[in-house]
Amino acid sequence: AQRVTQPEKLLSVFKGAPVELKCNYSYSGSPELFWYVQYSRQRLQLLLRHISRESIKGFTADLNKGETSFHLKKPFAQEEDSAMYYCALRNYGQNFVFGPGTRLSVLP
Amino acid sequence: EPEVTQTPSHQVTQMGQEVILRCVPISNHLYFYWYRQILGQKVEFLVSFYNNEISEKSEIFDDRFSVERPDGSNFTLKIRSTKLEDSAMYFCASSEDRPHYEQYFGPGTRLTVT
Repeated sequence: AQRVTQPEKLLSVFKGAPVELKCNYSYSGSPELFWYVQYSRQRLQLLLRHISRESIKGFTADLNKGETSFHLKKPFAQEEDSAMYYCALRNYGQNFVFGPGTRLSVLP
Repeated sequence: EPEVTQTPSHQVTQMGQEVILRCVPISNHLYFYWYRQILGQKVEFLVSFYNNEISEKSEIFDDRFSVERPDGSNFTLKIRSTKLEDSAMYFCASSEDRPHYEQYFGPGTRLTVT
């Protein structure tokens, strides 16, 4: 069965500090992994996907198949990064399986 | 930039009543989805819809739930005989084509069953 775990419900860091949001998954096959972000009072929006290997708003994520992880990282957190972050796995049927989310709070 | 829209933003209904949640997907998109998020819990897939039929549904999508694309623009989720546990945020999403991966989400409808 497909499953996505995000061990931290809440992560607080100071502005300028590095941040890492953890995501682990279980999936039989070749997964497609994504990070979605939801800013306060806004809709879910795609942050990045592993196949594009791009960096959005300074965030990067590397798919580690050996560790079945897709951690989201940013070297220097900004206050505007405060939001809910959801790791998601796209399964064969093309719908998403979401993790429970991590609330990132960047303190001034 | 085109967006997925949803109406109403908040719906309150009494247990046992029927509700219809409405979504207008992005106009050239072909795949449509409903998700729900119970307060404090994760986003859960309900159903996907393509070519006027359900392509996949989860165990949450029982026979009280139905979806429809009544015209060329709207995509609706109907819940009959609502239960207290149906209270959640319901998100509609659409995508252009399967190989494009990205699903664009609407702002959500908060359903409160009393």
